[in-house]
Amino acid sequence: DTEVTQTPKHLVMGMTNKKSLKCEQHMGHRAMYWYKQKAKKPPELMFVYSYEKLSINESVPSRFSPECPNSSLLNLHLHALQPEDSALYLCASSQTPLEAFFGQGTRLTVV
Amino acid sequence: TQLLEQSPQFLSIQEGENLTVYCNSSSVFSSLQWYRQEPGEGPVLLVTVVTGGEVKKLKRLTFQFGDARKDSSLHITAAQPGDTGLYLCAGDGPGAGSYQLTFGKGTKLSVIP
Repeated sequence: DTEVTQTPKHLVMGMTNKKSLKCEQHMGHRAMYWYKQKAKKPPELMFVYSYEKLSINESVPSRFSPECPNSSLLNLHLHALQPEDSALYLCASSQTPLEAFFGQGTRLTVV
Repeated sequence: TQLLEQSPQFLSIQEGENLTVYCNSSSVFSSLQWYRQEPGEGPVLLVTVVTGGEVKKLKRLTFQFGDARKDSSLHITAAQPGDTGLYLCAGDGPGAGSYQLTFGKGTKLSVIP
């Protein structure tokens, strides 16, 4: 199983809503990531979890809150987002720093 | 900050043609990866190159890592419409164990039937 599964695939939320993005992998990978990708741009790293501990936070606003409940799951909690936060949110996992496997992404629209 | 520059930014070719895209940096990378991404989907890992001068083949795709580990190229032979997509190169840091991938801006390839 080489899949990283993200849910939901699409999400529309208002600026006062609270929602969560979910990511799951069963490859036994030690590192999990959240990336944000705007149209026609490459993915931008947001957070890295290594062995279920947050190891990198790329100065992401506090309205994005990551959580790693266990080694297979990664959540991204969203609260009070702005329209400019609309993007494709990608989860990835890797066993080593060399190869990252990405999920299909969640297309988020903030209205 | 390590930067990866990809060229060309856009490429539109006829089915059956050959093409090469490039990924260049002034920094040394421990490894470089190539991904293909289709609209609205996540990037799919194609290959990882680790050793300077390394050449890897994946069917009609040939990947090369520069001797100095600062650049890489992707050559596609006899392109097919299914090769259409955004090709991204990504590198990890010069230090061992970096979990931060640096992405290039990508080459958007369109293969016209």
